[in-house]
Amino acid sequence: GAGVSQSPSNKVTEKGKDVELRCDPISGHTALYWYRQSLGQGLEFLIYFQGNSAPDKSGLPSDRFSAERTGGSVSTLTIQRTQQEDSAVYLCASSPQPMASGANVLTFGAGSRLTVL
Amino acid sequence: SQQGEEDPQALSIQEGENATMNCSYKTSINNLQWYRQNSGRGLVHLILIRSNEREKHSGRLRVTLDTSKKSSSLLITASRAADTASYFCATAVSGGSYIPTFGRGTSLIVHP
Repeated sequence: GAGVSQSPSNKVTEKGKDVELRCDPISGHTALYWYRQSLGQGLEFLIYFQGNSAPDKSGLPSDRFSAERTGGSVSTLTIQRTQQEDSAVYLCASSPQPMASGANVLTFGAGSRLTVL
Repeated sequence: SQQGEEDPQALSIQEGENATMNCSYKTSINNLQWYRQNSGRGLVHLILIRSNEREKHSGRLRVTLDTSKKSSSLLITASRAADTASYFCATAVSGGSYIPTFGRGTSLIVHP
């Protein structure tokens, strides 16, 4: 697609429910990133997918968080048993094949705003 | 903890003035990027400067990098009301997995 697409744009859920957030990256981009942005905070890295390599899950805050990337394209971030502190904007980004220099320019989606009541 | 930290946290100026934002980081980097975020939107890439570069320009944007001080600055000249946004620096650590790490950002307000 022309850009990174995320859905839903807004999600309100009750504490304890599970949620799924979807990211459709730019076609041909091999790298996909999930970040979380809480109110007034910077971006917190969650997980990184690169091609067929094992994902870097080092940023996931707890085992309630998981993510998949099917067929090297669409990714789903799942949060189980949501808590109020999970309320944030979840941002997805993609980039082309990383260069040896590490100069990865990210293209972001508009984000999914999650509110846990 | 954040690898990069922007300063100031907030900046309020009049249209036509220059805006300068700074970013400090802790470890050696391959490159540093600046992104912009309009309220309620995703981030948009502005400019990338590599560790062997000292200055880079793009339109009204000027970025400097001082690796000895582990700092970078973003200068927006002749600011416009449309420049109102949050600005983030992102660093890719040398020898790391090249996952950009973002700071908390500088909130810029340009008054018309």
